[in-house]
Amino acid sequence: GENVEQHPSTLSVQEGDSAVIKCTYSDSASNYFPWYKQELGKRPQLIIDIRSNVGEKKDQRIAVTLNKTAKHFSLHITETQPEDSAVYFCALTGGGNKLTFGTGTQLKVEL
Amino acid sequence: NAGVTQTPKFQVLKTGQSMTLQCAQDMNHEYMSWYRQDPGMGLRLIHYSVGAGITDQGEVPNGYNVSRSTTEDFPLRLLSAAPSQTSVYFCASSYGGANTEAFFGQGTRLTVV
Repeated sequence: GENVEQHPSTLSVQEGDSAVIKCTYSDSASNYFPWYKQELGKRPQLIIDIRSNVGEKKDQRIAVTLNKTAKHFSLHITETQPEDSAVYFCALTGGGNKLTFGTGTQLKVEL
Repeated sequence: NAGVTQTPKFQVLKTGQSMTLQCAQDMNHEYMSWYRQDPGMGLRLIHYSVGAGITDQGEVPNGYNVSRSTTEDFPLRLLSAAPSQTSVYFCASSYGGANTEAFFGQGTRLTVV
């Protein structure tokens, strides 16, 4: 099945700084790349997604970029706020009907 | 709409016991799936279903059974619980398969002693 590596596993930034999380994958058939945010004790929730025919997508302070040639995609959060503190998961689907998740990044936004 | 509802929220089992985790959704989603979440390992797919009467294995299916007799319900059965199955279990559903937004239930925290 698909394999996805996520880095870093923990990330600490100062409020107002930017945060970048990167995921790499191996299956060139992968075509859907969502990002989920999970607050402590809560369920994962979709924050943004991108499909393989698009290179970048933005939604306010959040953006995702996709490099199909290099097989990596990244989440960018600008002007970070304390409420951005959470675990972020990248995920992807390929030719099958399975959604594969990365191992997660614990983001901490410090005041 | 209640979305995706899981029961119970917490459960403690003894090794060897069996139980069923319930999952129901009221969004008329065809695709449903079960994940387990362990520290440092993300969410791993156990089983999934693309519609009533159709199920398939995910990444970690051993020790678990599923069935999909209706569009709304997708129960997960632990046949003989083992300590290695201590985890948080999430059910999810989506409208258009794995390539669309997954809506998660609130999770079930299972401890096997």
